[in-house]
Amino acid sequence: GAVVSQHPSRVICKSGTSVKIECRSLDFQATTMFWYRQFPKKSLMLMATSNEGSKATYEQGVEKDKFLINHASLTLSTLTVTSAHPEDSSFYICSARAYGGGADTQYFGPGTRLTVL
Amino acid sequence: GQNIDQPTEMTATEGAIVQINCTYQTSGFNGLFWYQQHAGEAPTFLSYNVLDGLEEKGRFSSFLSRSKGYSYLLLKELQMKDSASYLCAVLDSNYQLIWGAGTKLIIKP
Repeated sequence: GAVVSQHPSRVICKSGTSVKIECRSLDFQATTMFWYRQFPKKSLMLMATSNEGSKATYEQGVEKDKFLINHASLTLSTLTVTSAHPEDSSFYICSARAYGGGADTQYFGPGTRLTVL
Repeated sequence: GQNIDQPTEMTATEGAIVQINCTYQTSGFNGLFWYQQHAGEAPTFLSYNVLDGLEEKGRFSSFLSRSKGYSYLLLKELQMKDSASYLCAVLDSNYQLIWGAGTKLIIKP
């Protein structure tokens, strides 16, 4: 099946620094990728929808200047958490949308655990 | 390699019971999640199992057997709104999520 990878898998950073997380679709092209945030034992909160070659669409309440999203190619989207603070510590998960055989499917990445000290 | 298997699609009748199975082979185990996802929406958390046994939450129950690498989600008194995709995901030893491809559940009147 389709594979989505994320890098890094975990990162620890100091408060005030910026962290970049990559999301790649390894064996298919994804014009649309999604970024989620997961709180412990909670639903995934959609942060933004990333479309290749255009600006991301952010959900209400998500600061676009803090969570920068770039979808530069059909296989790569990046999320940069700028000036990270401890409250940004979370599990960030991306997914990539694939169309094929009449099906519209989302494939999820393994997640990136961010800890801000 | 790591993998999670669940049926691609299931069909059930309104008011009936359906069981969605999930088998997994992962490097380590730190819990198993079930999510419900309606088309065009973000996945909604249903359950988290880390110990063997059955956990019941209203119409939904989730079962885990770690020795068998097996879980199921049981949905009772099916309603039309239960038509959705159901995702099984395992947290491995590195606390990475390994996702199943999802089971599309179709409810018929």
